Amino acid sequence: EAGVTQFPSHSVIEKGQTVTLRCDPISGHDNLYWYRRVMGKEIKFLLHFVKESKQDESGMPNNRFLAERTGGTYSTLKVQPAELEDSGVYFCASRGLAGVGNEQFFGPGTRLTVL
Amino acid sequence: GQSLEQPSEVTAVEGAIVQINCTYQTSGFYGLSWYQQHDGGAPTFLSYNALDGLEETGRFSSFLSRSDSYGYLLLQELQMKDSASYFCAVLYGNKLVFGAGTILRVKS
Repeated sequence: EAGVTQFPSHSVIEKGQTVTLRCDPISGHDNLYWYRRVMGKEIKFLLHFVKESKQDESGMPNNRFLAERTGGTYSTLKVQPAELEDSGVYFCASRGLAGVGNEQFFGPGTRLTVL
Repeated sequence: GQSLEQPSEVTAVEGAIVQINCTYQTSGFYGLSWYQQHDGGAPTFLSYNALDGLEETGRFSSFLSRSDSYGYLLLQELQMKDSASYFCAVLYGNKLVFGAGTILRVKS
């Protein structure tokens, strides 16, 4: 079974540019999450999809961030325009209905650097 | 808000036992999870405590005491491959709230 994949693995952009991150969850997982880790700090929740619906987007920092999950499969997270403080590692995770205690399966992350 | 405190770094020798503590100032969560992350890799699930007490999975054990707002991850018979970051996280509804992580360095 393929795990959660994310693209790109690294992205370096200049302040003011736009970047789109992609996440492909484990096939059949209805729940998809985005998290972010800023240098050395905790991994912070951004939002949660159930299929194509946003269940909880309380962690989205501001309206420069837009997440979509059309068709309930892969998801994209767009940052427009990017600011310096958006630098960090963006993780995607997915979860099916079964599993232990809400075990979430994480992707390897996209390391975003905004210069 | 919710906050979890973990030591930033722990160093131990191969074959030893190490305990990584996690204290929290929050309530109303479903359970305490632990995740492991090797450099540049994906965080991977290690354990989950819904109830107070000890959960054992091979060389790893995890403990939760809600009355003490405290949990820990215990790693036995340490191996070099256990060098990684370890995160505690509480489960609120469907989302995980993480601590800042503990870097474990295993020395030979």
